[in-house]
Amino acid sequence: DAGVTQSPTHLIKTRGQQVTLRCSPKSGHDTVSWYQQALGQGPQFIFQYYEEEERQRGNFPDRFSGHQFPNYSSELNVNALLLGDSALYLCASSLRTSGRENEQFFGPGTRLTVL
Amino acid sequence: KQEVTQIPAALSVPEGENLVLNCSFTDSAIYNLQWFRQDPGKGLTSLLLIQSSQREQTSGRLNASLDKSSGRSTLYIAASQPGDSATYLCAVRRSGGSNYKLTFGKGTLLTVNP
Repeated sequence: DAGVTQSPTHLIKTRGQQVTLRCSPKSGHDTVSWYQQALGQGPQFIFQYYEEEERQRGNFPDRFSGHQFPNYSSELNVNALLLGDSALYLCASSLRTSGRENEQFFGPGTRLTVL
Repeated sequence: KQEVTQIPAALSVPEGENLVLNCSFTDSAIYNLQWFRQDPGKGLTSLLLIQSSQREQTSGRLNASLDKSSGRSTLYIAASQPGDSATYLCAVRRSGGSNYKLTFGKGTLLTVNP
């Protein structure tokens, strides 16, 4: 049973560039959430996707956008990269049953470095 | 706004010791609370999930308790081992049908010395 997978593992970009991160949820899961974790901090919620729609958004600018595909996989896009966007980006998946969300399972993360 | 605090920020213990990690949250209207483990530079591994109606959960040497009214949770680790060395994070999900995000603390860095 495959867990949550993310690609790429590491990424180096320069300021002003754009980046796309990818996530495949755990088998059987239908909901994907994205989190940003700066060094020494806890993860911060970016947004969540279910049924290919953004369901909730954290306190992040519009430079952060996402997408969910019919197979439940998801992408996180960040435009006009800033130095402060350097972080570990974590994807979490879960299954909605009876309209309620269950336990979230996290992937290994993508380490983004902006120079 | 929900805020989650974890004390202590770092803890170093000798192998075999029992220990307690603390988590507090400001808004008691939670749906559930999860404890996670994170190894350096890695993703999060879910350890225990406690629903708001529960008082505790146990898995092996781990026991997590929840006191929703006082806004506190503890993670008890029995007979600690060097392999337990990691950062431990707690996260809460606020109650309410449209609230899906987890709010995390900054974590407790645990070092178990052989």
